[in-house]
Amino acid sequence: EAGVAQSPRYKIIEKRQSVAFWCNPISGHATLYWYQQILGQGPKLLIQFQNNGVVDDSQLPKDRFSAERLKGVDSTLKIQPAKLEDSAVYLCASEPGRLNEKLFFGSGTQLSVL
Amino acid sequence: AQKVTQAQTEISVVEKEDVTLDCVYETRDTTYYLFWYKQPPSGELVFLIRRNSFDEQNEISGRYSWNFQKSTSSFNFTITASQVVDSAVYFCALSEALLYGNKLVFGAGTILRVKS
Repeated sequence: EAGVAQSPRYKIIEKRQSVAFWCNPISGHATLYWYQQILGQGPKLLIQFQNNGVVDDSQLPKDRFSAERLKGVDSTLKIQPAKLEDSAVYLCASEPGRLNEKLFFGSGTQLSVL
Repeated sequence: AQKVTQAQTEISVVEKEDVTLDCVYETRDTTYYLFWYKQPPSGELVFLIRRNSFDEQNEISGRYSWNFQKSTSSFNFTITASQVVDSAVYFCALSEALLYGNKLVFGAGTILRVKS
């Protein structure tokens, strides 16, 4: 079974530039998450989708971050404009969406903002 | 608010030693789930265990074992006879009971270094 796919693996940009990350969850998984992991910290939830609807985006900095999951499959996370403090690994995760399941994580996109 | 504390930032052991990673959590919910994930250098978080708040039985899986104690709000993880391949960052996480999915709140992680 294919895992959660993310691209790109690495991205280096200058502050105030824009960047987008892509995630393809495991086939059939209804729930998709984006997490931000700053170096030395645990992952922090940014947004949770159930199919193509947003369940929770309370921790998403909406002035600069946006995410969508059109058609309830792939998802993109965008930062515009990026700040130095956005340097982190952005992890995508998915799960079937039923109760009592577990999250499957991708390898993440490492973003460096210079 | 939910919170997970992993007080041990980094642990170094020699191969074949036993090692325990501590996890203390805070929640007001009566129903919740506790998780452990492993993050090797590749970066992908690997699921190890999920435990619901009503199941306090200890669990053993090969060299791994978990001790859940609601009285002390702890969910500790022990690796017996550690191996070099166990070197990774280990995260404890907590999720409230949701209709859809798990909204994980992670601890800061414990770096485990196993030396040969």
